[in-house]
Amino acid sequence: DTAVSQTPKYLVTQMGNDKSIKCEQNLGHDTMYWYKQDSKKFLKIMFSYNNKELIINETVPNRFSPKSPDKAHLNLHINSLELGDSAVYFCASSAARDGQQPQHFGDGTRLSIL
Amino acid sequence: SQQGEEDPQALSIQEGENATMNCSYKTSINNLQWYRQNSGRGLVHLILIRSNEREKHSGRLRVTLDTSKKSSSLLITASRAADTASYFCATLLGGGGNKLTFGTGTQLKVEL
Repeated sequence: DTAVSQTPKYLVTQMGNDKSIKCEQNLGHDTMYWYKQDSKKFLKIMFSYNNKELIINETVPNRFSPKSPDKAHLNLHINSLELGDSAVYFCASSAARDGQQPQHFGDGTRLSIL
Repeated sequence: SQQGEEDPQALSIQEGENATMNCSYKTSINNLQWYRQNSGRGLVHLILIRSNEREKHSGRLRVTLDTSKKSSSLLITASRAADTASYFCATLLGGGGNKLTFGTGTQLKVEL
């Protein structure tokens, strides 16, 4: 069973559209994250939720809105997509909110903006 | 600027050789973690070393941490073709920080 699963794996869409990426973890973790990895493989934290509470909110355009319906799910909605949003988005989870435990990553969603 | 920077950026070795990757960081840390990323996949956690630890082992992996030099190294012994991947260090800042800052990665290629 996949521990952290993201859908879709690939997302190709036009500039200006709105899209969502879904993430689910079956590890029983309380903390979940969204990261963005650019074309140079640089990985940057975007958001983190702990048991449905937002605990990390980096400097990200407000076109990006995370939503956590329960502690096993963390979705990412992106409005008015721009060319610069093209990247790989990773969801991750951890047993601890303080960074003292390993993070478990999904296989990523490759977003391409035409 | 980034907290962690790996060196070298790319490394190519023959199967059976050892591979050493280094990570330098700028500010004091609580812990440092190493992750592996295979092409087209997510990151996989390898080892977490805390600021009061100097060395940790896991199978063929050995991680050292020198807080006085603000650096860490990852040694993979007896490398295999399956070790081909990108390797990232990630730091958790000291002083109560709760987010990991990832380095730039080392791309390792192990050839048969």
